Amino acid sequence: ETGVTQSPTHLIKTRGQQVTLRCSSQSGHNTVSWYQQALGQGPQFIFQYYREEENGRGNFPPRFSGLQFPNYSSELNVNALELDDSALYLCASSLPPGQRYNEQFFGPGTRLTVL
Amino acid sequence: AQSVTQLGSHVSVSEGALVLLRCNYSSSVPPYLFWYVQYPNQGLQLLLKYTSAATLVKGINGFEAEFKKSETSFHLTKPSAHMSDAAEYFCAVSDNAGNMLTFGGGTRLMVKP
Repeated sequence: ETGVTQSPTHLIKTRGQQVTLRCSSQSGHNTVSWYQQALGQGPQFIFQYYREEENGRGNFPPRFSGLQFPNYSSELNVNALELDDSALYLCASSLPPGQRYNEQFFGPGTRLTVL
Repeated sequence: AQSVTQLGSHVSVSEGALVLLRCNYSSSVPPYLFWYVQYPNQGLQLLLKYTSAATLVKGINGFEAEFKKSETSFHLTKPSAHMSDAAEYFCAVSDNAGNMLTFGGGTRLMVKP
C-alpha cells in the first residue's frame, strides 16, 4: 500500500510569485485535505477536496486554490506569494467524509520559503 | 466552532517517567478527537483517536488517552518515557471522522536521559 506522497520536498520562491504543490493520496482514498503549518504552530486547515470539488474551506484568502484530479491526486496553488506564506504545507488523504472509523493520513509535507 | 488548547508548549520528563500531555477542546457537537506526533522534518503520524466508543483509547507506542466529557479533556499519557518519544505532539478535534481537523498549538516533549 502506497502512502501519501508530496512534491516537491522543499521550495524557495520570492514575493509575488505563484507556486503549485502536489499530493498523491494513499491507495483507496478519494478525499484530500490541505493544511498549512507555520513554524512553531499547529497545522491550519486550508481546504478539502472530494469528488474533484471543494468540500470545505478554512479561513484562507482566494489566492489559495486547489484542484483534485480523477485519480484523486491534488494540487494546491498559491498566487501572489507573501512572506507569511512561508510554512510547511501538509496534505492528508482519507475515505469520504462522514465514515465513523475514518482518519486522515498525512504526507511528509512541502517546505515553502518565501523571500 | 471548534477549538483545542494544549497546556504547556514544552514538557520535559526523564527517561522512564510518566508522560502527561494536556488537551482541552471546545465543540458544539460530539467530538472526534485525535492525537498526532510529528518528528523533525516529517509529517504527522496518528497516535490514537476517539470516535465515541470507549472513553479510554489505546494507541501506538504505549500511549493512551482518556476522553472526559465533563472536563472537555483528552489528555495523552504514557507510563514510561523513552528517548525516542521526543517529538512534537498535536491534539486535534473534528466534528466528523474525515472532516477538517482543528489542531492545538502543539506540545514539544523532551526526554532527558
